[in-house]
Amino acid sequence: LAKTTQPISMDSYEGQEVNITCSHNNIATNDYITWYQQFPSQGPRFIIQGYKTKVTNEVASLFIPADRKSSTLSLPRVSLSDTAVYYCLVAGYSSASKIIFGSGTRLSIRP
Amino acid sequence: NAGVMQNPRHLVRRRGQEARLRCSPMKGHSHVYWYRQLPEEGLKFMVYLQKENIIDESGMPKERFSAEFPKEGPSILRIQQVVRGDSAAYFCASSRQDSSYEQYFGPGTRLTVT
Repeated sequence: LAKTTQPISMDSYEGQEVNITCSHNNIATNDYITWYQQFPSQGPRFIIQGYKTKVTNEVASLFIPADRKSSTLSLPRVSLSDTAVYYCLVAGYSSASKIIFGSGTRLSIRP
Repeated sequence: NAGVMQNPRHLVRRRGQEARLRCSPMKGHSHVYWYRQLPEEGLKFMVYLQKENIIDESGMPKERFSAEFPKEGPSILRIQQVVRGDSAAYFCASSRQDSSYEQYFGPGTRLTVT
């Protein structure tokens, strides 16, 4: 399983764009990159998933360079409610795969 | 379309008692995962199950812990003879057969051992 490295914590302000970068140097050919969000006292929530280039949904964008050794989660115009822990994961597209959560990035948004 | 259901939400047990945690996956999901989370820490994978089959239990403690996902009914995580160190939040997640990377989590069960 590919190990991921991401910052322990980040701070930002309402209305700013936040970019959280994750390193996954040992990503395998069949691995997908997935991001989850977890609020206090709740289970994680799937945000976005991608394989290469750029993926965008109503919540976030995910940028993946050609070598796929890193990825960046971009949150546009954050609000206080975006304060949460964000986990970057890599996992194979396989029914036999488990996914491993690291420590995540604790994002704090201030007014 | 109900999400992943877990019950109870809070469970208090005395040392030595048994704890049973239940998880009903989302409709159409055939895979269930159990995770444990200590305060201020990330989630630790415990076990991955399909109906009537344990796929990966590499994260399960060797003793006192067991899990099942029967043909009918919810998945059960069972902890026998609980100790204080078992106090944690236990999350269940489910996924479709072909997308284990996209898991949907329940609200968790907070186990407190006194």
